[in-house]
Amino acid sequence: DIQMTQSPSSLSASVGDRVTITCRASQSISSYLNWYQQKPGKAPKILIYAASTLQSGVPSRFSGSGSGTDFTLTINSLQPEDFATYYCQQSYSTPRTFGQGTKVEIK
Amino acid sequence: QVQLVQSGAEVKKPGASVKVSCKTSGYTFTSYYIHWVRQAPGQGLEWVGIINLSAGSINFAQEFQGRVMMTRDTSTSTVYMELSSLRSEDTAVYYCAREVQTTMIPVGRLFDYWGQGTLVTVSS
Repeated sequence: DIQMTQSPSSLSASVGDRVTITCRASQSISSYLNWYQQKPGKAPKILIYAASTLQSGVPSRFSGSGSGTDFTLTINSLQPEDFATYYCQQSYSTPRTFGQGTKVEIK
Repeated sequence: QVQLVQSGAEVKKPGASVKVSCKTSGYTFTSYYIHWVRQAPGQGLEWVGIINLSAGSINFAQEFQGRVMMTRDTSTSTVYMELSSLRSEDTAVYYCAREVQTTMIPVGRLFDYWGQGTLVTVSS
């Protein structure tokens, strides 16, 4: 199974900050990397797929980069509605493993 | 519009089975895969398995070997996940999610629609 390791597990930031979350795969997954946002009591929501493609309707302050084993999610100018937990997921193979999540909290 | 609507919360005793349904609408049922993902209280997302809605074939995480079954009813566009020999560690919210594969480069596979989640509580 492919292991996905996210860092940090949590961070505190202020509105307007730039936030970066990293995700590392235990083997190459090409660009088969997705990012999801989850708010309490809600299902996850897709933000970015194929490592860098923004899902329709997602604000452009979200961006993704990387390929192979190392990936990054960046949120430019953090907004109040962005405080949530973020998960990376590989879709290269089954099982479709997730990172452990990064909780973005208000500083 | 695409919708995935799951059945309601369940409370089960250890050793029992639970069957969760996921009724889909708004798209061609057999053209996609459905995955099941669970989330224990305060924990992260854990992949459970996948069902090919066209062929009915399934694949699931090794830890559920012998305990999970996924089926579909094409006449009602509904997918089912049954988990048996329940234990307290199975207490979680169970989500169904549709997977789409994009055709434009770079090709991606993503969960674009999710059910609202079904809380399964296992307690004596």
